[in-house]
Amino acid sequence: EPEVTQTPSHQVTQMGQEVILRCVPISNHLYFYWYRQILGQKVEFLVSFYNNEISEKSEIFDDQFSVERPDGSNFTLKIRSTKLEDSAMYFCASSERESNQPQHFGDGTRLSIL
Amino acid sequence: QKEVEQNSGPLSVPEGAIASLNCTYSDRGSQSFFWYRQYSGKSPELIMFIYSNGDKEDGRFTAQLNKASQYVSLLIRDSQPSDSATYLCAVIGTGGFKTIFGAGTRLFVKA
Repeated sequence: EPEVTQTPSHQVTQMGQEVILRCVPISNHLYFYWYRQILGQKVEFLVSFYNNEISEKSEIFDDQFSVERPDGSNFTLKIRSTKLEDSAMYFCASSERESNQPQHFGDGTRLSIL
Repeated sequence: QKEVEQNSGPLSVPEGAIASLNCTYSDRGSQSFFWYRQYSGKSPELIMFIYSNGDKEDGRFTAQLNKASQYVSLLIRDSQPSDSATYLCAVIGTGGFKTIFGAGTRLFVKA
């Protein structure tokens, strides 16, 4: 069964540094998402992406964050000037034809900011 | 602020029993409703989705939606110890892109 692939599984970064989290969505999916989950808290929507542009973003997704689809397969989340509170699991998800369809999640990247 | 509310639990049921998980949402314009299962340290795994009022069954799982009451539930029949996990209710609200998750209900199935 096709799946969403995320790399790396764990990223450790010094505070203030930039990180790029990578995702390969399911190949025929058109909608892409990033979520984060701080340890012990709920899954939080960050951003949705369709047709090479952001379709919606949350209040969390400020100027520190950006997303990109640099080629036909990858979908990236860049976090600039990382802060301690950016430590969380970051999940990528994708859905097939329409935005209200079920989303399939990758295994996540655990981001640890030191 | 659009909210999705779940009882945090833990909900404890004996093996073979029916587990009933509930969720309410605040955005009356919401159209799409999902249940995900999340094991500790893992990513959410889709269990069920429902768009229309009424019941939808898939194997041991039944999702129920009542838009008038802004209520969605998940029934798990013949609960197994492997069903022990956190169950997340997720709602796509008006606008169609942003998914709001509840905090999840922890289910514990006793063997």
